[in-house]
Amino acid sequence: RKEVEQDPGPFNVPEGATVAFNCTYSNSASQSFFWYRQDCRKEPKLLMSVYSSGNEDGRFTAQLNRASQYISLLIRDSKLSDSATYLCVVNGNAGNMLTFGGGTRLMVKP
Amino acid sequence: DAGITQSPRHKVTETGTPVTLRCHQTENHRYMYWYRQDPGHGLRLIHYSYGVKDTDKGEVSDGYSVSRSKTEDFLLTLESATSSQTSVYFCAIREVGGQGPQHFGDGTRLSIL
Repeated sequence: RKEVEQDPGPFNVPEGATVAFNCTYSNSASQSFFWYRQDCRKEPKLLMSVYSSGNEDGRFTAQLNRASQYISLLIRDSKLSDSATYLCVVNGNAGNMLTFGGGTRLMVKP
Repeated sequence: DAGITQSPRHKVTETGTPVTLRCHQTENHRYMYWYRQDPGHGLRLIHYSYGVKDTDKGEVSDGYSVSRSKTEDFLLTLESATSSQTSVYFCAIREVGGQGPQHFGDGTRLSIL
């Protein structure tokens, strides 16, 4: 079993749609969780950290479920510019290392 | 802008030649990392550093060595490049405390023929 698993997609959605991604992780001791966005041929960029209480940043909402060991990302009112790969990231067995999921590709269509 | 510069940005070289990639940061962060990213594998950690002259292996360290003689520079060396090392290489730094997110450089596209 991979440490961090994501559905690779692609998720094809129309502009204005709401789309949700889930990610599961295997290390129950993990303490830090993040969502990154990666555009084609570019570096990963931090989208948001994920907190136990859930957090929201504009159209983006992240949730953490420790009991079931999954993280979710909800994108409301999708824009064409949201098209990218979204990486779920969890701190690994060693506290200073991160484990990356394989990414979920989102394509927003006009 | 996380203040990370990778060089070179692109390189094409031949099998068996040595290659050194450089990562330079301007923000005095303690932790620095080298990853490679390949289709179907995602980001995989090669080596990381937790201070000057302090380095450790990651998931895919075979064939790679690193050095960190100054806080701001973290070098990745392929002693004798192989075609399987064709990849995109990313350097990352991590904020104080070691529990925060990592921030990435622009990447180096390395092709080994």
